[in-house]
Formats: sequence, structure tokens, C-alpha cells
Amino acid sequence: AQKITQTQPGMFVQEKEAVTLDCTYDTSDQSYGLFWYKQPSSGEMIFLIYQGSYDEQNATEGRYSLNFQKARKSANLVISASQLGDSAMYFCAMRVFGNEKLTFGTGTRLTIIP
Amino acid sequence: DSGVTQTPKHLITATGQRVTLRCSPRSGDLSVYWYQQSLDQGLQFLIQYYNGEERAKGNILERFSAQQFPDLHSELNLSSLELGDSALYFCASSVSVSNYGYTFGSGTRLTVV
Repeated sequence: AQKITQTQPGMFVQEKEAVTLDCTYDTSDQSYGLFWYKQPSSGEMIFLIYQGSYDEQNATEGRYSLNFQKARKSANLVISASQLGDSAMYFCAMRVFGNEKLTFGTGTRLTIIP
Repeated sequence: DSGVTQTPKHLITATGQRVTLRCSPRSGDLSVYWYQQSLDQGLQFLIQYYNGEERAKGNILERFSAQQFPDLHSELNLSSLELGDSALYFCASSVSVSNYGYTFGSGTRLTVV
């Protein structure tokens, strides 16, 4: 079984600062994918970034990057130059290849302070 | 607009009742997934359909059922509703097995009173 742990229930960050959201995972499978989703107060789930277990480089998408440390089983999301619109819930999730189910963590509520 | 359409957006109903949630996947996507998001259990996978057939089942109660129709839209039926069924129900879709996750709809917020 897969498990995702997000240990930060909430974070407050000053606008324009960088922020790191923590995510650790547990699986015995070798082939898997890690995802981050953003959920604003309006409720929709927005895909941010993906990292495959065999990807040698950390994934980046604009201001989002994923700090992937396979040996530590961590997949932290880094948001550079935070903006007020980044205030939302952030979920880390994983999928084991061969199984299309996504397993989600409990989320981190990020609040950007002007 | 993600391209995945869920209706209705909000639903308030009484205990013991039955409701149907509808999902139209993004054009070209064959897989539909249903998730439940509640305060106490977080985001839980319920069920997946691929091109009309059930593909995977998660923590779906026996009181809940789903189907995917030939036009690929899907319906989630919730019956004998209890207060604890109050949650945000998400539908998501993908072309097939995807390394890039799914595209989620905006969800149906169900309140059971």
C-alpha cells in the first residue's frame, strides 16, 4: 500500500518569498509517479507538477519545482517568489505504475501574507 | 475551465434519500475517476471506469454505485444517504493510464441534512 505524509497542516509566508511544502511517501514499488495539486478556496483541483521515479532531474514548471530525494522518499514542492494567488490547499499525491489510483496526502494550507 | 464538467455544483438532501452526480469527461478522455473529499477522511478514491467498464475500485460503500455510458459520461449514485456522506465529490478524467495525473472537475458539494 502507498502512503503520503504531509506534516505541515498550515503555513504562512510573506509575499515574494520562496516556500517549501514537505511531502514524504512510502511505497515498496520501484515505478511510481508523484504529483502536486493546488486546491483554491473555490474547490477545484489544479495539477501543478509531476515527477517520475526514474526521472533523473527534478521537475520544474514555471515557479514550481519539485525537490525529489528518492533515497529519503521525499518530494517537496518549492514555490519561488510567492504571490497572493498562491494561497490555497496543496496536496501531494502518488500513483504506482500499473495502478491508476492516486493516493493523496492530507494537504497543507498555504497562506501568503502581503 | 478544465474541460471536465460536473453537475450539479451543490446538492442539499435529506438522510435516507438517493442522489445522482453526473460527470462529463474532457473530450477524448476514456477514463473517469470518482473521488470523495471529506474533512475527516481527506481525498479518497472511490472508483474508476475506462471506456464503459469498471477498471478499479477503492473505498466505495455498497450504498454507492457508478456507471459510465457509451458517450463516456459517468454517473455516481448515492443511496440511503447518511450525514457522514456530506462531502465534495470529484470526478476526474484522463486519456488512459497517464503519467501526468488527471484533469479534475470542479466537484459537487453534497450536504446531507
